[in-house]
Amino acid sequence: QQPVQSPQAVILREGEDAVINCSSSKALYSVHWYRQKHGEAPVFLMILLKGGEQKGHEKISASFNEKKQQSSLYLTASQLSYSGTYFCGTEEFFGNEKLTFGTGTRLTIIP
Amino acid sequence: DAGITQSPRHKVTETGTPVTLRCHQTENHRYMYWYRQDPGHGLRLIHYSYGVKDTDKGEVSDGYSVSRSKTEDFLLTLESATSSQTSVYFCAISDRNSNEAFFGQGTRLTVV
Repeated sequence: QQPVQSPQAVILREGEDAVINCSSSKALYSVHWYRQKHGEAPVFLMILLKGGEQKGHEKISASFNEKKQQSSLYLTASQLSYSGTYFCGTEEFFGNEKLTFGTGTRLTIIP
Repeated sequence: DAGITQSPRHKVTETGTPVTLRCHQTENHRYMYWYRQDPGHGLRLIHYSYGVKDTDKGEVSDGYSVSRSKTEDFLLTLESATSSQTSVYFCAISDRNSNEAFFGQGTRLTVV
């Protein structure tokens, strides 16, 4: 079963912040985040492992609440280059290589 | 860039015909995946492999089969293509060292 992402789409002005949420009905070992530009393949952003770890990548960071089976991706001071569709991917436990992706969140940044 | 290529990149086929998509990697990664991408559904896992001849089903495996006879190749076969299988298909590879999945450039398949 796919994790659920929210919102489905969001439009922001350059410099504004965004939060994308990912929720699963199953216990998780890890959460991955990817970004896909139009017409291109998804590209890895970061992975969060079980333990409530928060990670950062330039102005993009993420958190993982394993008890709630949720992860959030934070984009601060958004740039035009952040536009694209963001996907979370989940693994249920270590050793289970089944990487399942959510339905995606389309982010549009306007000048 | 990770060494992963998909072929063909585009294909149009008729309903009822068999179709095979190929994913080839040069990274010697253990894990390989096939996804389909459709509007409103994101990326849905079809099948995945955790080693040569070791494969398992994903969420949308009906109508698809896979084979992995060597580490570098993962084949996806539509035994009898249907219009509902019109989609963009992505192959991905990963290993446990980096935990990062690398995607191929995708195959756009149209079943008419």
